[in-house]
This record gives sequence, C-alpha cells and structure tokens, in this order.
Amino acid sequence: QITLKESGPTLVKPTQTLTLTCTFSGFSLSTSGVGVGWIRQPPGKALEWLALIYWDDDKRYSPSLKSRLTITKDTSKNHVMLTMTNLDPVDTATYFCAHSTLGAGFDYWGQGTLVTVS
Amino acid sequence: QTVVTQEPSLTVSPGGTVTLTCASSTGAVTSAYHPNWFQQKPGQAPRALIYSTNNRHSWTPARFSGSLLGGKAALTLSGVQPEDEADYYCLIYYGSTVVFGGGTKLTVL
Repeated sequence: QITLKESGPTLVKPTQTLTLTCTFSGFSLSTSGVGVGWIRQPPGKALEWLALIYWDDDKRYSPSLKSRLTITKDTSKNHVMLTMTNLDPVDTATYFCAHSTLGAGFDYWGQGTLVTVS
Repeated sequence: QTVVTQEPSLTVSPGGTVTLTCASSTGAVTSAYHPNWFQQKPGQAPRALIYSTNNRHSWTPARFSGSLLGGKAALTLSGVQPEDEADYYCLIYYGSTVVFGGGTKLTVL
C-alpha cells in the first residue's frame, strides 16, 4: 500500500525559504523507474507541477520556477524534500507530493499541506 | 512557455456522455506526450484516472476512457454518475518537464 504525506511550515514570511518534506511508504525510491514529484495548487486555482526526482537522482524542474527550487531525496529515510527560496504571497498554495513511475504518471498522492506566505 | 488548455466548464446530464479535451500550445498531442487525466473533488487531493493516453488505473471505473481526438488528448465519461461532478485536469509530458492543464469543472445536472 503506497502512502505519501507532506509536512512543513504552514506559515512563512515573504522572502523566506520554504522546506517541505514528503514522507512515503509502500515503495522504494531506489527501484528503477520510480520517482516522486511535487505539485502545488493555489486556493481556487489549477494544479501546477513543480519538480520531480527519479530513483537514479535525475531531477526535473518547472522552467518558470527552476531558479528557486531544489529537490532532494533521502532513500534511507523514505523522504523527498523540496526547497523553495524567496517566497512571495503568490506562492500561497496547497503543496502535494505524488508517486510517479515512468509512463504511468502521478498515481498516488499525498493529502497536501497548505502553506501561507504572509 | 508551454500552455495546456482545457474547457473551463462543461455540463452533462446524469446517464449522459461527455468528452473533455486537452490541447497543447506546441501543436498536436500524440501518445508520445503520455497524457494523463486526474479527477479532483473539493477539499481532496487529485485522483489519477488515466495514464499514457488511454490506460486506466486499477481503481478507475470503466466509464472513464482516454483517447486522442483531433490533435488533442480526450477524456470521455459514458453513463455519467452524480458523483462524477468534479474538476478534471490533464497533464502532458514534454520531455524533461510536465505541464498541467487549467482544469475543467464538470457539472452533472
């Protein structure tokens, strides 16, 4: 049974750095083809893909946010972390992490965590 | 910047059939873009429905089907149920990046 859960601060001040952690179970991020991604959703708005890290440490970023994002993994702890710098109120959103496999998209999602920048 | 466009809203009657589409600003969507579809209800995380154009996940009801239609990715709901009222998002893979569509709000009325 695959589960994911996001954790991190709920309130961040403008210009600060946000670090979110995705803790997962039911799969290993050292298995070929497996990845974990981050997606966010501002209140009342659409989903926006942020970043993705694969089992082989290949990292992908949204071009529009690439300069502000860093995704890392700790396979031994079943954690994937996302760091976003220079926060702005427009970054207020629910942040989701999701399990990904090559060709099968984002199949399992965490419940999301609301981050408010104010 | 690549933009993925969906119908903002659609309405369908219970028992009816509706098709949602997903267009890419780069041109025709093909199977090489591995289009995915997700359903999201208020206050919930998205739920994956379709991956790689037309593959259902094990939990996806058979009334949901994915295809390519006129250069777009498409999601067809047949025999719509009241519980299908939700927001639907497509996702397109562009090589090293991923883009979500703006979403379609489906009303069952």
